[in-house]
Amino acid sequence: ETGVTQTPRHLVMGMTNKKSLKCEQHLGHNAMYWYKQSAKKPLELMFVYSLEERVENNSVPSRFSPECPNSSHLFLHLHTLQPEDSALYLCASSQAGQGKFYGYTFGSGTRLTVV
Amino acid sequence: AQSVTQPDIHITVSEGASLELRCNYSYGATPYLFWYVQSPGQGLQLLLKYFSGDTLVQGIKGFEAEFKRSQSSFNLRKPSVHWSDAAEYFCAVGTGNTDKLIFGTGTRLQVFP
Repeated sequence: ETGVTQTPRHLVMGMTNKKSLKCEQHLGHNAMYWYKQSAKKPLELMFVYSLEERVENNSVPSRFSPECPNSSHLFLHLHTLQPEDSALYLCASSQAGQGKFYGYTFGSGTRLTVV
Repeated sequence: AQSVTQPDIHITVSEGASLELRCNYSYGATPYLFWYVQSPGQGLQLLLKYFSGDTLVQGIKGFEAEFKRSQSSFNLRKPSVHWSDAAEYFCAVGTGNTDKLIFGTGTRLQVFP
């Protein structure tokens, strides 16, 4: 399998549930990202992992917890979410460093609905 | 700080007509510029990118974009639009010093037969 794969594609969860989103990349990239895409709002960068180390956390609430166990896998653990957290969550990967950057490859996203 | 502006929220064109989607960026040095397309319920797919060199870049699906430093613009063009081009288009700017892309708010393209 190639590219960036996200599972599940759709998720409905209650505000007291705990769930995880998974992202896997088969491109040999060294950086991975979580973005949130809400209706009528710009893409919001949530987390950046470079070489499995978190290098950025853009003031994301603690109810979102990322995990990057290796350079190919990225998780977003969710707990006690709010209805306003309903959105499309996009994972991306890139090969970056040494002053070079070639852009992202995105997964298809997970459509999250919090009820 | 870097920023990207896509002035047009929604554009409607007839199939076969030409298309130009506007993108303006703010960045002090030479940026890395990208155009992505997103179909409903899907992730973003890279159309084309500019790093340096020739200011007119060709992408997939017959798209091209021109980098104009004097206007801080990177507009996307297509000579003849197909119904399958209906989607949302995002312009993005990055640099070689960071691994982040800053996205515009997107332009939704609607194509009428």
